[in-house]
Amino acid sequence: QKEVEQNSGPLSVPEGAIASLNCTYSDRVSQSFFWYRQYSGKSPELIMSIYSNGDKEDGRFTAQLNKASQYVSLLIRDSQPSDSATYLCAVIRGGTSYGKLTFGQGTILTVHP
Amino acid sequence: GAGVSQSPSNKVTEKGKDVELRCDPISGHTALYWYRQSLGQGLEFLIYFQGNSAPDKSGLPSDRFSAERTGGSVSTLTIQRTQQEDSAVYLCASSPKGSRDTQYFGPGTRLTVL
Repeated sequence: QKEVEQNSGPLSVPEGAIASLNCTYSDRVSQSFFWYRQYSGKSPELIMSIYSNGDKEDGRFTAQLNKASQYVSLLIRDSQPSDSATYLCAVIRGGTSYGKLTFGQGTILTVHP
Repeated sequence: GAGVSQSPSNKVTEKGKDVELRCDPISGHTALYWYRQSLGQGLEFLIYFQGNSAPDKSGLPSDRFSAERTGGSVSTLTIQRTQQEDSAVYLCASSPKGSRDTQYFGPGTRLTVL
């Protein structure tokens, strides 16, 4: 089992729809969770971080964390073509005192007009 | 302000040659990370530096890989006797200090080993 797994893509949604990206992790004591966006040929950019169970909203983005199910998701409301990118889920495992990130394989999102 | 910078942006080398990749972190950031991104392996951690503490080298794939950070700022990743499987994008990231601090990634160095 991979340490961090993301739902297989690519994911295609129409403009204005909600895009749902999912991620599961294997280390039960993982402590910090991040979503990065990576445009083709560019470096990853942090868009959301979440540390406790529940929802965290930032503009059109909502991150959801369920530690009991070892599950973290990202919802993008009112999707725009500019949201088309690869989304990377990243986790800081338990027992790590610094920001060593373990990444999932990424989900390619395409928002079509 | 200036972000993380890396050089060179592209490097093509022959199998068996040594290469050096450079990273300039954001000024004042004490934590520095190297990651590698390849098609087959995704984005994986290589090494971590924090201030004057001993680095965490647990992600380095072989003893051909080494890294140093001079004066708590600039870092150099060295790959000796390069192999074709070393071909990847090497990304450097820095953060202020803590585990919850945002890591800011540089543009990366694309390494191609022929």
